Parts: sequence; C-alpha cells; structure tokens
Amino acid sequence: EAGVAQSPRYKIIEKRQSVAFWCNPISGHATLYWYQQILGQGPKLLIQFQNNGVVDDSQLPKDRFSAERLKGVDSTLKIQPAKLEDSAVYLCASSNTTAGWEQYFGPGTRLTVT
Amino acid sequence: GNSVTQMEGPVTLSEEAFLTINCTYTATGYPSLFWYVQYPGEGLQLLLKATKADDKGSNKGFEATYRKETTSFHLEKGSVQVSDSAVYFCALRGTGRRALTFGSGTRLQVQP
Repeated sequence: EAGVAQSPRYKIIEKRQSVAFWCNPISGHATLYWYQQILGQGPKLLIQFQNNGVVDDSQLPKDRFSAERLKGVDSTLKIQPAKLEDSAVYLCASSNTTAGWEQYFGPGTRLTVT
Repeated sequence: GNSVTQMEGPVTLSEEAFLTINCTYTATGYPSLFWYVQYPGEGLQLLLKATKADDKGSNKGFEATYRKETTSFHLEKGSVQVSDSAVYFCALRGTGRRALTFGSGTRLQVQP
C-alpha cells in the first residue's frame, strides 16, 4: 500500500512570496490533516478535512494560509504572502475509521523563508 | 485545552542502557495516547498507543502504560540500541477529536 505522498520535499522562498504544497493521502482515507512543525517543536495542527469538508481550521492563520481538498482526495496548502516565521516542516497525514483513526504521515515539505 | 509535556533532550545513553522518557498530559475526558518516532531523514511513525486507562502499549521492545491517576504515559525500553537513536514524540487524541496534540519531542542519542 502506498503511503502519504507530499511534494515538494524542500522549498526555499523569499518573504512575501507565495508557495503551495501538495499532498496525496493513502487511498480510501477520508480524513486528511495538515500540521506545521517548527524546528525543535512538535507538530501543530493547521487544518483537518473530512472528505472535502473542513472539520477544524481553528489554528490556521487565515490571513495568509489557505487549504483545499477538491474531490475529497488530494489537498493543497498555500501560503501567501510568506513570513520568516513560516519556516517549518509541513506534514500531511491521513486516516480512516477502518484503521482505528490511526494517522499515517507523509515525509513532509521543509520550507525555508529568507 | 489539551496539552502534552515531555522531558527535554537530548537524552544520551550507552548501548544496552535502560531508557525512560517522561510524558504527562492535560486533557478533558478520556484521551487516547501515542508515542511517535522520527528517525533521521524519515517521517513520523507510530511506535505504540493506548486507548484507555491502565492499557499498556508495546512495540519493538518499547512500552508505555496509560496512567490516568498521574496523567502520564512514560516511554520505556529495557536495552536500547544505536538504531533507536531518533526523536520521540508523545501525543494525545482528545475525546471526540481526531487530530493529535503533540509534545515538543525528545531526542535520543545511543552511543556504541
């Protein structure tokens, strides 16, 4: 079974530029999560989707971050404009009920904002 | 809200030493508790879990017991190996929620 795929793996941009990350969850997983992991910290939830609907986006900085999950499969996370403090690893995870809601994580995208 | 506190690292041990990484939590209701591991250059992997009080999760020689009375879920291993060197994250999933709340991680370095 293929795991959670993310791209790109690395991205370097200047502040005030925009960037987008892509995630393809495990086939059949209805729930998709985006986490932000700042260096030296644990992952923090940004947004959770159930199929193509948003379940929780309470910690998403909506003035600059947006996310969508069209057709309930792939998802994109966008930052516009980026700030220095957005430098982090962005992790995508997916889960479903038959797996006991166990979350499977992708390799992450490491973003550096200069 | 929910929170997880785990001991700061790095923890440096010699091979075959006993490992304990402390984890305590704050949550309402009856959360599920997890330990995740992140090996160098790899993604987060579930190491073990416990879904109710007094449950013991175990995997690859690691164990952790869900202690509701002390709100703890300490990770232990009797004899660590160099290959156990990684960052370990304690996490909880609150009642009625599916997303995880993570601790800040503890880096383990095992020397031969």
